Amino acid sequence: DQQVKQNSPSLSVQEGRISILNCDYTNSMFDYFLWYKKYPAEGPTFLISISSIKDKNEDGRFTVFLNKSAKHLSLHIVPSQPGDSAVYFCAAEGGGGSQGNLIFGKGTKLSVKP
Amino acid sequence: EAGVAQSPRYKIIEKRQSVAFWCNPISGHATLYWYQQILGQGPKLLIQFQNNGVVDDSQLPKDRFSAERLKGVDSTLKIQPAKLEDSAVYLCASSSDRGRNGYTFGSGTRLTVV
Repeated sequence: DQQVKQNSPSLSVQEGRISILNCDYTNSMFDYFLWYKKYPAEGPTFLISISSIKDKNEDGRFTVFLNKSAKHLSLHIVPSQPGDSAVYFCAAEGGGGSQGNLIFGKGTKLSVKP
Repeated sequence: EAGVAQSPRYKIIEKRQSVAFWCNPISGHATLYWYQQILGQGPKLLIQFQNNGVVDDSQLPKDRFSAERLKGVDSTLKIQPAKLEDSAVYLCASSSDRGRNGYTFGSGTRLTVV
């Protein structure tokens, strides 16, 4: 049973437009959420995180929104750039597991077209 | 700072053989993680070390997988005997604060069991 779901396997966006990547979770005990970016043949790279006590966190072109009542979070990238093309993983922590035990979604492959 | 080093990058073995992976975390990072990423899935935690002690190995298939972190620095992950379903990328990560500011992942070892 997947506790973190990324229902869109892929997303294609034009350069300069907004990219919105979505993530849903089922475990209401999760209290921390992270986004990782992964290029081929490399390990995932930490991008941005948000605590469950907040509903928004912003870092440059990247903003994460959290809707606890809907158990939904999203990552917005504005403006999108070709270098943003990668697989994006949503991850959650605190669902009864040990601190540092991240539960990952399956990922969404973002393609930004020039 | 130097990243998380992993070796080998690729390994092909026959089923029932044994294999070992090595990880050197970022200097000073007390927490070390081994994740398994099967094709098309997100990473899944196998084992978490804090210094040289095991914090969480609840998802490690202990009948065939073992891991150690001697002296709280380098770590090895071993599979013996390997099964076809062990084909995956094995990612090592380290963090200084149990992950809340994101881990640093290595590039991984891609294992193919034939």
